[in-house]
Amino acid sequence: GQQVMQIPQYQHVQEGEDFTTYCNSSTTLSNIQWYKQRPGGHPVFLIQLVKSGEVKKQKRLTFQFGEAKKNSSLHITATQTTDVGTYFCAGPGNYGQNFVFGPGTRLSVLP
Amino acid sequence: NAGVTQTPKFQVLKTGQSMTLQCAQDMNHNSMYWYRQDPGMGLRLIYYSASEGTTDKGEVPNGYNVSRLNKREFSLRLESAAPSQTSVYFCATPRGSYNEQFFGPGTRLTVL
Repeated sequence: GQQVMQIPQYQHVQEGEDFTTYCNSSTTLSNIQWYKQRPGGHPVFLIQLVKSGEVKKQKRLTFQFGEAKKNSSLHITATQTTDVGTYFCAGPGNYGQNFVFGPGTRLSVLP
Repeated sequence: NAGVTQTPKFQVLKTGQSMTLQCAQDMNHNSMYWYRQDPGMGLRLIYYSASEGTTDKGEVPNGYNVSRLNKREFSLRLESAAPSQTSVYFCATPRGSYNEQFFGPGTRLTVL
């Protein structure tokens, strides 16, 4: 079945440093979504990318969808302590309107 | 988390005990999902319901049963809990033009 991988599994950065997480799918995706989960919380939708090569920005966050629509990345510029959490990418699944989630990248930001 | 509620928030069971996790949404959505989250494995779909009165297996259904009681409620039952079912369980419903998964606050279950 479809698999979504993410690297790295963990990332520790000093506040102010940049951070990037990478997502790869075993199959071509019609779209990809990104979620953020704060410690002890639930995943919250951040953004969806649809077009090949698409780049979207949300303040310090930059999301990119690969040309082949099999990979994606999330880049955070100048991390802040509020960025702490786990970031998941997700591609459309095969059960109704579900999504298949990657294992996530856990970001720690040291003040 | 307005829209999707889950009870209980925390639960500890002994192996072999049974319990039901409750989920309710007030968004008048047809579809509802149950995911489990384990470290390093993301969220995996257990069961889903595309509409009131229908339920279907997801990726990891073994050891679980579900009931779509009405349009609002979708419950997950563990008939005989096992330590491998220790996890965080999230109920979700697709929302918006992107069908993004809108999650409840979760139930943290430990099976001893």
